[in-house]
Amino acid sequence: GNSVTQMEGPVTLSEEAFLTINCTYTATGYPSLFWYVQYPGEGLQLLLKATKADDKGSNKGFEATYRKETTSFHLEKGSVQVSDSAVYFCALSNILTGGGNKLTFGTGTQLKVEL
Amino acid sequence: KAGVTQTPRYLIKTRGQQVTLSCSPISGHRSVSWYQQTPGQGLQFLFEYFSETQRNKGNFPGRFSGRQFSNSRSEMNVSTLELGDSALYLCASTSTATSTDTQYFGPGTRLTVL
Repeated sequence: GNSVTQMEGPVTLSEEAFLTINCTYTATGYPSLFWYVQYPGEGLQLLLKATKADDKGSNKGFEATYRKETTSFHLEKGSVQVSDSAVYFCALSNILTGGGNKLTFGTGTQLKVEL
Repeated sequence: KAGVTQTPRYLIKTRGQQVTLSCSPISGHRSVSWYQQTPGQGLQFLFEYFSETQRNKGNFPGRFSGRQFSNSRSEMNVSTLELGDSALYLCASTSTATSTDTQYFGPGTRLTVL
């Protein structure tokens, strides 16, 4: 079946530090890959996505590249800000037998950025 | 475009009661999915509705049910509540639900079972 493994947190960084959150997946077929972010007390917001191998998703300074050979979709940002403090979820989407799709999520990585 | 809305935002119930949660998708979206988020189990898929039909279901007991109306609004119901049902329930909508489509999430309903 499908599964997503992401690095455990919490991750604590100083402002302007480089961020990497590792994510690897197991899936059949050709899934789409997503990063979602969750701020305290809120739902999930799409951060970026990639739908095929070698695609790079990017948004708000965050980037992730769909690597089929290593089954990975690591999230990176060159310079984090305090406002980036949140929980980040890696997820994959795959077509289901009956049609439609569902998201399979990693466990989430909490990021705390300090001044 | 308005985003996904969920009502109510917070609920407190006691064991044995039942509860109904509501979700209004983004205008034009026909697929609505529900997820349960708990600290122990993380984010788990409950079910997905498309054009008023349940297309897919996760591994939850029959106490969890849902439906979708002709305007794509969806409700989920949990009967005979247990303490372990305390969670954040998230609804997500997407246009056609192919694997490349993005699911857009609402703010969630926080259910506390006492």
